Amino acid sequence: GAGVSQSPSNKVTEKGKDVELRCDPISGHTALYWYRQSLGQGLEFLIYFQGNSAPDKSGLPSDRFSAERTGGSVSTLTIQRTQQEDSAVYLCASSSQAGSLNTEAFFGQGTRLTVV
Amino acid sequence: GENVEQHPSTLSVQEGDSAVIKCTYSDSASNYFPWYKQELGKRPQLIIDIRSNVGEKKDQRIAVTLNKTAKHFSLHITETQPEDSAVYFCAASMGSYIPTFGRGTSLIVHP
Repeated sequence: GAGVSQSPSNKVTEKGKDVELRCDPISGHTALYWYRQSLGQGLEFLIYFQGNSAPDKSGLPSDRFSAERTGGSVSTLTIQRTQQEDSAVYLCASSSQAGSLNTEAFFGQGTRLTVV
Repeated sequence: GENVEQHPSTLSVQEGDSAVIKCTYSDSASNYFPWYKQELGKRPQLIIDIRSNVGEKKDQRIAVTLNKTAKHFSLHITETQPEDSAVYFCAASMGSYIPTFGRGTSLIVHP
């Protein structure tokens, strides 16, 4: 596609339910990142996928959070047993990473998650 | 890991004034420093970036400076306009690794 696409754009869920957030990166981009943005806050790193390498999960806040990237393209972020503090905008970004150089990260429009 | 500090958290200026946002980083190996602009309700978008082999880069009304010795970099916006109002994020990364973002600066330009 023309840009990074995320779905759903908005999700309201009850506390304790599981949710899945989807990210479709720009075709050909090998790097994919998930960030979380709470109201008025910065971008909190969650997880990073680069090509076929093992993902960097160092930013995941608890074991209720997990993510996968199938076939090096689409990624799904799963939050189990959601809590109210999980409410935030979840942003996905992808980049091409030319060789060993970092390049521009293109962000999706985000999924606004509200846990009630 | 990398730690990026960004100041100020809020900046209010009159239209036509200049605005300066400053960031510091901790990892001397970081070599890529992008700046993103996020308008209300929209996604962050890159506005300018700089690599560690240069000290300054300019694009029309915006410029970024980098001081590798002091490990700080700054965004300068001249002749500010109301449409410059947004949240600005700095970031730092090394090689192909994950960008670490600052906490953001909310810039308000009063007409």
